[in-house]
Amino acid sequence: DAGVIQSPRHEVTEMGQEVTLRCKPISGHNSLFWYRQTMMRGLELLIYFNNNVPIDDSGMPEDRFSAKMPNASFSTLKIQPSEPRDSAVYFCASTLGYYSGNTIYFGEGSWLTVV
Amino acid sequence: AQTVTQSQPEMSVQEAETVTLSCTYDTSESDYYLFWYKQPPSRQMILVIRQEAYKQQNATENRFSVNFQKAAKSFSLKISDSQLGDAAMYFCAYWTGTASKLTFGTGTRLQVTL
Repeated sequence: DAGVIQSPRHEVTEMGQEVTLRCKPISGHNSLFWYRQTMMRGLELLIYFNNNVPIDDSGMPEDRFSAKMPNASFSTLKIQPSEPRDSAVYFCASTLGYYSGNTIYFGEGSWLTVV
Repeated sequence: AQTVTQSQPEMSVQEAETVTLSCTYDTSESDYYLFWYKQPPSRQMILVIRQEAYKQQNATENRFSVNFQKAAKSFSLKISDSQLGDAAMYFCAYWTGTASKLTFGTGTRLQVTL
């Protein structure tokens, strides 16, 4: 079975540009998470969806960040405008269930560098 | 607030030896799950082991086992017969249904030497 698929794997962009990260969760999973990993802050949950509905976006750093899940097999995380401090690895993850505590599977991450 | 603490930023172990990575957590919940994830240099997060808090029996996965002490809120990972491929960052993580999110510790970098 295919795992969580993220694209792009690497992106270098200039400050002020729009960045869109994409994620395809594991088929059949109904919960999806976006995490950000930096040296300073470690792994932070940005937002998670259950059945395509955003449940908690309290981790989204500011209005420049937005996330959507138009259907069960696709989600995007957008940064507009991007800033150098947004440089990080962004992970998408998915699982089956909501309160279940089932294993959360991570994608390989999108490495974002904003110069 | 739920917190996960990994007090060992770095650990080193010789190949074929055993190493234990520590993790403590703080929670008022009674029903939760604990995980260890491995992150090699490729940065992918790979599940190592999972433990349900309601189970007293410690989880094991081949060379990986945990020592789960619920009263002490401790969840350590033991790696037996360490291999060079075990070198990675290891993250302890906590999940509770009321929050429905995975909270991570700061990680322990494990080096495996010959």
